[in-house]
Amino acid sequence: DARVTQTPRHKVTEMGQEVTMRCQPILGHNTVFWYRQTMMQGLELLAYFRNRAPLDDSGMPKDRFSAEMPDATLATLKIQPSEPRDSAVYFCASGSNRDIMNTEAFFGQGTRLTVV
Amino acid sequence: QKEVEQNSGPLSVPEGAIASLNCTYSDRVSQSFFWYRQYSGKSPELIMSIYSNGDKEDGRFTAQLNKASQYVSLLIRDSQPSDSATYLCAVDTGRRALTFGSGTRLQVQP
Repeated sequence: DARVTQTPRHKVTEMGQEVTMRCQPILGHNTVFWYRQTMMQGLELLAYFRNRAPLDDSGMPKDRFSAEMPDATLATLKIQPSEPRDSAVYFCASGSNRDIMNTEAFFGQGTRLTVV
Repeated sequence: QKEVEQNSGPLSVPEGAIASLNCTYSDRVSQSFFWYRQYSGKSPELIMSIYSNGDKEDGRFTAQLNKASQYVSLLIRDSQPSDSATYLCAVDTGRRALTFGSGTRLQVQP
């Protein structure tokens, strides 16, 4: 079953707590994206990995957010400490690239984060 | 100027009509273009990709790309109420990361 798997699906946490979101990309995909979606901002790119190396994390608040790929089957996004303004849906997507072009990216079901 | 711009809508069309969704982008070196559909509370779902100027058809969907005008569109023929969703345009801006527009909400009236 080729799909991107994200855990947890829902997370409610108190301000100041650490939050870790996990993503298992589709087997064979070498590109992983983390996006955040809110009503006001739409889909914002937070981080982008190819072959486990971070290529672009300019959209991510560096003081509290971190993204890693410990191995090819796992990507993590961590927020420490969390704040109410971090409440959003966080999506992971995976894809592959051929030559100079990206091919299609496929989204996981998302983690709905609420920070109270 | 946003990198990828879409009219937020809602775009309302009667059932059976053609829905036309438009997107403009600012980075001339963009090479890959995608349309995603997102139902409320769900994740974006890829419906079309286009890489070359011209039209690409897949069932009731046609994507059109004009790189000179920096314009990409999606036509949905014979629109159905089940097509009611937000349609997101995504562009590979050359950093090889997808940048999304804010989406156009489509409402198909029965």
